[in-house]
Amino acid sequence: KAGVTQTPRYLIKTRGQQVTLSCSPISGHRSVSWYQQTPGQGLQFLFEYFSETQRNKGNFPGRFSGRQFSNSRSEMNVSTLELGDSALYLCASSILSGGFSEQYFGPGTRLTVT
Amino acid sequence: AQTVTQSQPEMSVQEAETVTLSCTYDTSESNYYLFWYKQPPSRQMILVIRQEAYKQQNATENRFSVNFQKAAKSFSLKISDSQLGDTAMYFCAFTTLETSGSRLTFGEGTQLTVNP
Repeated sequence: KAGVTQTPRYLIKTRGQQVTLSCSPISGHRSVSWYQQTPGQGLQFLFEYFSETQRNKGNFPGRFSGRQFSNSRSEMNVSTLELGDSALYLCASSILSGGFSEQYFGPGTRLTVT
Repeated sequence: AQTVTQSQPEMSVQEAETVTLSCTYDTSESNYYLFWYKQPPSRQMILVIRQEAYKQQNATENRFSVNFQKAAKSFSLKISDSQLGDTAMYFCAFTTLETSGSRLTFGEGTQLTVNP
């Protein structure tokens, strides 16, 4: 079974631009969560989508948004990019939402904002 | 607030030896799940082991085991017979039953280096 895939793997954007990252979960998984990883802040939860509905949201500004499609693929969008948005963005999928349901992580998208 | 603390930013161990990584957490909730994730240089996060808080028995997965002390809110990871492939960043994480969804709270991470 194919794992979680994220595209693109690397991205360079200029401050003020917007960016869209994509995550394809493991087949049959309905939950997709997004995390931001930076050297200074570590791993921080962005949001989770389950069956096309946002279930949970972390403490990030409104510039960060996401959505999930009927095939469970998810996208996250960051508008008006700032230098501090440079990070590794990880998505994780699980069969169910919550609790003990194991989350499988993708390889991440490395975003650099210049 | 729910927090996870890993007080050892870096650790090293000789191949074939045993090493223990520390983790403490803070939550006011009674039902939760604890995890250790491994992130090798490839940056792919991999689940190493998990523990349900209501279970007193410590989880074990091959060379990996945990020491779960609920009263002390401590969740350490022991790696036996360390291998070069164990070199990675290790993250302690937890989620609560009351949390809506699959939100994981991570610690700062411990960089483990296994030396030949």
